[in-house]
Amino acid sequence: AQKITQTQPGMFVQEKEAVTLDCTYDTSDQSYGLFWYKQPSSGEMIFLIYQGSYDEQNATEGRYSLNFQKARKSANLVISASQLGDSAMYFCVDATGGGNKLTFGTGTQLKVEL
Amino acid sequence: DGGITQSPKYLFRKEGQNVTLSCEQNLNHDAMYWYRQDPGQGLRLIYYSQIVNDFQKGDIAEGYSVSREKKESFPLTVTSAQKNPTAFYLCASSIHGESTEAFFGQGTRLTVV
Repeated sequence: AQKITQTQPGMFVQEKEAVTLDCTYDTSDQSYGLFWYKQPSSGEMIFLIYQGSYDEQNATEGRYSLNFQKARKSANLVISASQLGDSAMYFCVDATGGGNKLTFGTGTQLKVEL
Repeated sequence: DGGITQSPKYLFRKEGQNVTLSCEQNLNHDAMYWYRQDPGQGLRLIYYSQIVNDFQKGDIAEGYSVSREKKESFPLTVTSAQKNPTAFYLCASSIHGESTEAFFGQGTRLTVV
């Protein structure tokens, strides 16, 4: 079974600073995908970034980048230049190869302060 | 506009009643999912379907039922057998067989009164 671990239940960061949200995964599959989603207080899930297990480079999407260390089985999300609107819950998600059954971590609540 | 629609946004139910949550998508996705989220927690998979007329139990399927008669629709019924149904329910869809992003609906907040 897939397992995602997010060890930071809550994080604080000052506006304009960078922040790293940790994620480790446990899978025996050779082919897998890892996502990060953002959930603001309104409840919807917003896709941020995706990393495939065979991707050679770390994924980047605007201010979001993924620090993918395959040997350590970690896929940390880095948010640069934090904004107040980044305050939300962030989930690391595993998608098993071929099955697309998503496994969510427990999430990290990020609070951006002035 | 393509997307995934859940209705209603808020739902109240009396104890002992069944209730059905709607989920419709026009993205032509094969796979659809139902998740439950409790306050301060992550999402737990209730049921998922990878193709029409087929679905599988997730981690917490007891007290729930689904159907997948059409590709676009994946309704979830919360039955009276579900002992603690008050929660936030999210429906999602994705392209089957590929590790691509899942698209989520806006969610339905179910409260048992």
